[in-house]
Amino acid sequence: NAGVTQTPKFRILKIGQSMTLQCTQDMNHNYMYWYRQDPGMGLKLIYYSVGAGITDKGEVPNGYNVSRSTTEDFPLRLELAAPSQTSVYFCASSYSGFEQFFGPGTRLTVL
Amino acid sequence: DQQVKQNSPSLSVQEGRISILNCDYTNSMFDYFLWYKKYPAEGPTFLISISSIKDKNEDGRFTVFLNKSAKHLSLHIVPSQPGDSAVYFCAASAKVSGSRLTFGEGTQLTVNP
Repeated sequence: NAGVTQTPKFRILKIGQSMTLQCTQDMNHNYMYWYRQDPGMGLKLIYYSVGAGITDKGEVPNGYNVSRSTTEDFPLRLELAAPSQTSVYFCASSYSGFEQFFGPGTRLTVL
Repeated sequence: DQQVKQNSPSLSVQEGRISILNCDYTNSMFDYFLWYKKYPAEGPTFLISISSIKDKNEDGRFTVFLNKSAKHLSLHIVPSQPGDSAVYFCAASAKVSGSRLTFGEGTQLTVNP
């Protein structure tokens, strides 16, 4: 079991560029999440999904989009990148919605 | 509106002693609480949890205590080991919010040999 995998590990974007952060899990979990972690802060929920075809906004959804076409994949799309989106992004999955398994993170810098 | 707060950004203890990490919450609807541990350049990993129907849960060296009247929980690590050095996040969930967790800011624990 690979668990939760995220690509890329690092990325530098220019202001206004777009990109997709990939997340895949092989545990057949229905629940999947995207968080961002800014320095000295906790994890803030961006979007989450309770199953294929179902997504919902978290605390900080502005500037992001998601889709969930399969149980395994939950990509996060950044449109028109801004410096405020410089952060570390974590994807997580869960069977129950409580104990969440996290990927290793993607460190994104927007210059 | 920070509903889950960890007021100590850092804590330093000697190997073999007890580490106590604290967490306060404001939302009385929270009924399930978790602690996660995070090493640098890795994602958080689940450590221990407690339901609001309990006031204590133990797992090896780790014990979580919940004081509902004070809206406070704590994580005790005994004895502390250098490998426990990490950032610890407290998280909370409410049935009404479904499967969402609200995280605290984290506490950096350093265990000195």
